[in-house]
Amino acid sequence: GENVEQHPSTLSVQEGDSAVIKCTYSDSASNYFPWYKQELGKRPQLIIDIRSNVGEKKDQRIAVTLNKTAKHFSLHITETQPEDSAVYFCAARYVDMRFGAGTRLTVKP
Amino acid sequence: SQTIHQWPATLVQPVGSPLSLECTVEGTSNPNLYWYRQAAGRGLQLLFYSVGIGQISSEVPQNLSASRPQDRQFILSSKKLLLSDSGFYLCAWTGQSNQPQHFGDGTRLSIL
Repeated sequence: GENVEQHPSTLSVQEGDSAVIKCTYSDSASNYFPWYKQELGKRPQLIIDIRSNVGEKKDQRIAVTLNKTAKHFSLHITETQPEDSAVYFCAARYVDMRFGAGTRLTVKP
Repeated sequence: SQTIHQWPATLVQPVGSPLSLECTVEGTSNPNLYWYRQAAGRGLQLLFYSVGIGQISSEVPQNLSASRPQDRQFILSSKKLLLSDSGFYLCAWTGQSNQPQHFGDGTRLSIL
């Protein structure tokens, strides 16, 4: 089955800096790669996703890149703000969804 | 539009008691349904998923079970809860293979 690894587990940046979170997956059949943001005590919420026929997608300050050959994808957050502080999960899906272990992002004001 | 309902929001149960958590989805048919558990400060552990009525795949052997008696209903159960069953339980649904999962609000389960 699919195995997703996510790095780093914790990330601390200064407000205004960029943050990058990286994930690798094992199943080359996976064709859908979402990113979720989870605030403390709440459910994970989808923030951006990318499908296997696309190499990059951007939505305002958030972008995701996908390298199918290397089987890795990354989340980029620019101009970080304190409200970006949360746990971020990557995931990969073919039949079922497999999640990375999460990255706790802290943005210091 | 589609919505997912999960209840209760919080639950405190003694060790050895039974458990039943319910999840229902509205506005879609034949969804894939999932149960996850999240320990404090940890990631999402997939417990069960279902691609159709009566079809349950178990990811982790344990004292929990799942059932899907109706197309849009997914139930997580236990006959006897353990202390280690404490956690945040999330139900989720998805449609086609390249669509996102949508999560319910979760149930915070505390075992005493």
